[in-house]
Amino acid sequence: QVRLQESGPGLVKPSETLSLTCTVSGASISRNYWSWLRQPPGKGLECVGFMHSSGYTSYNPSLKSRVSISGDASKTQFSLNVKSVTAADSAVYYCARNLNEHGGMYSDSWGQGILVTVSS
Amino acid sequence: SYVLTQPPSVSVAPGKTARITCAGNNIGSRRVHWYQQKPGQAPVLVISYDTDRRSGIPERFSGSNSGNTATLTISRVEAGDEADYHCQVWDSSSDHVVFGGGTKLTVL
Repeated sequence: QVRLQESGPGLVKPSETLSLTCTVSGASISRNYWSWLRQPPGKGLECVGFMHSSGYTSYNPSLKSRVSISGDASKTQFSLNVKSVTAADSAVYYCARNLNEHGGMYSDSWGQGILVTVSS
Repeated sequence: SYVLTQPPSVSVAPGKTARITCAGNNIGSRRVHWYQQKPGQAPVLVISYDTDRRSGIPERFSGSNSGNTATLTISRVEAGDEADYHCQVWDSSSDHVVFGGGTKLTVL
């Protein structure tokens, strides 16, 4: 059974960089795709971006200039960095495993989520 | 970019059938996935590839997709089905995962 756990600071100052790590157990990040998603309080889900162990990444066009996702297979972890954050980046952040079969990608396993607030 | 539209809320009496729609331009040509999210919890995948019910999901949950609308149908609704439901597709042209705005299902 795949398990994912997000970790990182719950409070980030405006203009600084938000950094989160997802630790995976029960699966290797050398297979499949791995993603970060977020959900502002009371709002819908948004995919921030995803990565493949080959080094391929894809980011939400609205965030592309500020986001990077990378992985460390030896530690079964992957990470998210969001630069120059504002209050609009405050959200619950989830990491997830993405499967891409039959021409469609979806997230079949999710972490519990971590609330990140951007405030001075 | 591709846009998915869901009704903000749907209400249904216990034992009745709830239908939650997800509208998008020619969405019938895409593969739609549905997630259930209860308060304070992470989303759970309930339907993948339009109609495939995930392991452990009751048979009361079913999906369909045609034309410009995909639909999640919940038969014989129970109080425990009360949750937010999100539809999702993969936009291959932008290589981006797209979600609808989510629908809050209220069991009266």
